[in-house]
Amino acid sequence: KNEVEQSPQNLTAQEGEFITINCSYSVGISALHWLQQHPGGGIVSLFMLSSGKKKHGRLIATINIQEKHSSLHITASHPRDSAVYICAVRSGSGGSNYKLTFGKGTLLTVNP
Amino acid sequence: GAVVSQHPSWVICKSGTSVKIECRSLDFQATTMFWYRQFPKQSLMLMATSNEGSKATYEQGVEKDKFLINHASLTLSTLTVTSAHPEDSSFYICSAWRLGASSYNEQFFGPGTRLTVL
Repeated sequence: KNEVEQSPQNLTAQEGEFITINCSYSVGISALHWLQQHPGGGIVSLFMLSSGKKKHGRLIATINIQEKHSSLHITASHPRDSAVYICAVRSGSGGSNYKLTFGKGTLLTVNP
Repeated sequence: GAVVSQHPSWVICKSGTSVKIECRSLDFQATTMFWYRQFPKQSLMLMATSNEGSKATYEQGVEKDKFLINHASLTLSTLTVTSAHPEDSSFYICSAWRLGASSYNEQFFGPGTRLTVL
């Protein structure tokens, strides 16, 4: 079993729909990242959170430390949101002990 | 926001040659940089962690003599794939960890380098 599990693996939506991507992890973490990877590979960090909820534009990320679960929500989805969304958990105390473990990603396709 | 660049963005080389990939933090100092590898439809996998001025720490299964990492300054780390073979073809991504003065820290990712070994 992977330490970081994402669901769904693939998601197709119509423009305007509300999107939810889930991430569950099995290890103790100090923080969780949500990343976006566009075709061609470049990665953008969307959120880093260790508790509660963060919002940036149409994106919302939540985390429940007790349940070891995080969700990424996209409101009013748009075709330009089409990308792979990756959950990564951070463990370690810092410096050379710091490590990110990645989920396999969720491929989101938003159709016009 | 902070920017991490990689050069080249893609490279095609013959089997047996060596390829150097540069990772630079453009507007901040990075005491720690990370090198990841991503095969098609797979997760990013950490290859090694490099700290400025010291030897890199390699993950299990990653050959340090094949993947040479040099973190010569607080803004530059290089990954050299020596004697590349077709199985080394992959997408290589670096990231840099900024440790802020207030202990707030973030990890910034480079755009990646696609290596194809013929």
